[in-house]
Amino acid sequence: GAVVSQHPSRVICKSGTSVKIECRSLDFQATTMFWYRQFPKQSLMLMATSNEGSKATYEQGVEKDKFLINHASLTLSTLTVTSAHPEDSSFYICSARDTPGLGSYNEQFFGPGTRLTVL
Amino acid sequence: KNEVEQSPQNLTAQEGEFITINCSYSVGISALHWLQQHPGGGIVSLFMLSSGKKKHGRLIATINIQEKHSSLHITASHPRDSAVYICAVRGSSGSRLTFGEGTQLTVNP
Repeated sequence: GAVVSQHPSRVICKSGTSVKIECRSLDFQATTMFWYRQFPKQSLMLMATSNEGSKATYEQGVEKDKFLINHASLTLSTLTVTSAHPEDSSFYICSARDTPGLGSYNEQFFGPGTRLTVL
Repeated sequence: KNEVEQSPQNLTAQEGEFITINCSYSVGISALHWLQQHPGGGIVSLFMLSSGKKKHGRLIATINIQEKHSSLHITASHPRDSAVYICAVRGSSGSRLTFGEGTQLTVNP
């Protein structure tokens, strides 16, 4: 199946610093990428949907100035947690959907996640 | 009531047992996903279904659109199948997935 990578897999930072998480689709073009966060023992919560070349659409309650999303190409999206605080500590997962087209199943593939710990 | 309900929430089985996890949803959908999340956190997409049945190795997924119900079956279960299994649906008109709460499966040797 298609592969989505995330980097870094784990990051520990001090409160007040910014952290950038990269999400790449390795063997397909992703028109749409999704960013989720997951707290322990809970399901995934959609933070935002990003389409290549346009601004991300944020879910209600998600601060767009705090969680900056850039989807500059069909294979790369980044999430930057700005001025991180301990309450931002969570598991962040990206997901990418392949571009509809000949031979495409328009399926959604998930990255391995990034565990962010803010001290 | 959640739009996507899974049962059971927790399931413990002995190695070799046949396992069924159920998912019911209340909205019209364009596709249903079964996902697997291991303790490390990474999520693997097992199946995407819009009708009928799919099989991959020891895993079988079925969906009944009329009854708004899907099942994930694992034959000859193994301890390495221990994980959280998540059902997610994509609505007919939307692009986002709605997730179930997940089923924690533990397979004992």
